[in-house]
Amino acid sequence: AQSVAQPEDQVNVAEGNPLTVKCTYSVSGNPYLFWYVQYPNRGLQFLLKYITGDNLVKGSYGFEAEFNKSQTSFHLKKPSALVSDSALYFCAVRVRSGNTPLVFGKGTRLSVIA
Amino acid sequence: SAVISQKPSRDICQRGTSLTIQCQVDSQVTMMFWYRQQPGQSLTLIATANQGSEATYESGFVIDKFPISRPNLTFSTLTVSNMSPEDSSIYLCSGGLAEANEQYFGPGTRLTVT
Repeated sequence: AQSVAQPEDQVNVAEGNPLTVKCTYSVSGNPYLFWYVQYPNRGLQFLLKYITGDNLVKGSYGFEAEFNKSQTSFHLKKPSALVSDSALYFCAVRVRSGNTPLVFGKGTRLSVIA
Repeated sequence: SAVISQKPSRDICQRGTSLTIQCQVDSQVTMMFWYRQQPGQSLTLIATANQGSEATYESGFVIDKFPISRPNLTFSTLTVSNMSPEDSSIYLCSGGLAEANEQYFGPGTRLTVT
């Protein structure tokens, strides 16, 4: 079975500082990894994905994530946080096979303080 | 990318009644799924909506309670039957292209059962 762990319920960071939101995964086989963001009263918005290739993936709004196979991690990062980045962030995984749905972590609430 | 719309966006229903949620995708997708999300919590997969056949339900979800239809590649409905306050949640439709490893989400339907 596949699973995703987001060890932090809440991450607080000052505006302008770098941010990291942690994610580790467990799958049998090679994973497809995703990050989504959810703003209040909004649906999930896709940020980025890792399928294959370069371990550093760049996505929307200046976010990036690094795939680390040995540590089974896919941490989300941004060099300089904005107050508008404050939201709920979800990491998700899918195995490399057909029409299989995403399995989500519990989410991490990011709060960027001015 | 695919744009997904849902109707209604929110509803308040009395216990014992049923509500049907519609999901429309602006392009053909191979995958469609229904998730449930408690406010501020993670997403739980209800079922995979299969075109022209019965949906595939996850553990803890049954067809009698959550009947799903998917008559074509762009439309699906989820019915929440015989509702109780425990069904109060946000219901999210999701769709994507398996070969493109993309999965997009609708804005959600916020259901409150009184």
